[in-house]
Amino acid sequence: EIVLTQSPVTLSLSPGERATLSCGASQSVRRGYLAWYQQKPGLAPRLVVYDASKRAADIPDRFSGSGSGTDFTLTITRLEPADSAVYYCHQYETIPITFGQGTRLEIK
Amino acid sequence: QVQLVQSGSEVKKPGASVRVSCRASGYTFTGHGISWVRQAPGQGLEWMGWISAYDGHTKYAQKLQDRVTLTKDTSTSTAYMELSFLRSDDTAVYYCARDQWGGSFLPSWGQGTLVAVSS
Repeated sequence: EIVLTQSPVTLSLSPGERATLSCGASQSVRRGYLAWYQQKPGLAPRLVVYDASKRAADIPDRFSGSGSGTDFTLTITRLEPADSAVYYCHQYETIPITFGQGTRLEIK
Repeated sequence: QVQLVQSGSEVKKPGASVRVSCRASGYTFTGHGISWVRQAPGQGLEWMGWISAYDGHTKYAQKLQDRVTLTKDTSTSTAYMELSFLRSDDTAVYYCARDQWGGSFLPSWGQGTLVAVSS
């Protein structure tokens, strides 16, 4: 099983700043089958990035994914209050599919 | 547009079973798989299993494979998740999610179904 570890656990930033969220994998995600989701309270997760770096439909270009192997990053530039959420990484390289434990992003 | 509509909240006693439905529309049902993901209160996302809507092939998370059964009804474009021998730590919101290709990322999610297990 590929274990995903996200850091930091919580990130508190101001509007207009840049957020960098990390996701480390216990084994190589060789094909880059890694996604990021945004989840707001009471709602289902929303796909943000897939295949490590491809933006999902209707996601603004302030969101970008990068990385390979065991280290992946979600970067959000020009933060807005609506970006406040928990962000999860997700690997679909191997079964069982696994998720990271989440990073809570707070916009002050 | 793709829609996944799940059945309503359930309250169950320990030891009982629960079945949650997920009705799909807006796409060819048999062209994609459905994963089930649950989220305990205040916790993260846990993958439970996946079913191919094409041929019914399933894959399960090892810790749940003795208690979870995924099925589908192509005639109604509905997927089902049944969890048996419920325990209090099964209390969670259960989501169905459609994949892009077999077992891949999940671009479309249902609204979630709360299952509460309490004596």
